[in-house]
Amino acid sequence: ELKVEQNPLFLSMQEGKNYTIYCNYSTTSDRLYWYRQDPGKSLESLFVLLSNGAVKQEGRLMASLDTKARLSTLHITAAVHDLSATYFCAGTTQGGSEKLVFGKGTKLTVNP
Amino acid sequence: EADIYQTPRYLVIGTGKKITLECSQTMGHDKMYWYQQDPGMELHLIHYSYGVNSTEKGDLSSESTVSRIRTEHFPLTLESARPSHTSQYLCASSEYQTGADTQYFGPGTRLTVL
Repeated sequence: ELKVEQNPLFLSMQEGKNYTIYCNYSTTSDRLYWYRQDPGKSLESLFVLLSNGAVKQEGRLMASLDTKARLSTLHITAAVHDLSATYFCAGTTQGGSEKLVFGKGTKLTVNP
Repeated sequence: EADIYQTPRYLVIGTGKKITLECSQTMGHDKMYWYQQDPGMELHLIHYSYGVNSTEKGDLSSESTVSRIRTEHFPLTLESARPSHTSQYLCASSEYQTGADTQYFGPGTRLTVL
């Protein structure tokens, strides 16, 4: 059974700083997704990582995947207040299933 | 941009009432999903469908039921609401493209059962 663990669960950082959110998963996952959720809102797709060594970047966010370590990271560069949100990673069960298993989320607060 | 809609957005209802949460998408996606999310917590899959007349229960046990009579419509029904059903319900749809099956989420229905 696939389990997904994120850390930290809460992250408070200052504007301009860099930080990394970690996503570990317990068994082989075909794909790894990152989503963003603003308070009271729905989820917005950020990245999908398909293979070992995959790296994707959008603005100040960069996601990577290491399938051997069963680890994905979401790196934040020079944080700004607008990045404050909860970030979820999700894996898929093996065999091409489209069922997502989500981590508990990392609540990021960027302070001026 | 994804076009997936949920109604109502907010619902406060008494115990024992029957309710239906609506979800529609205009993208022609075959796959649709319902998730339950308590405040500040992760999402749990409660139902999914891979096409018309196909429905399956998800990983989280739920007293709700779903139907998929049309591709674009995937309603969720609670026959007798209870306070334990208070939560946010998120609908999503997806289509396999370029090696991934990214799910697009609706705005959610926040349900409170008194």
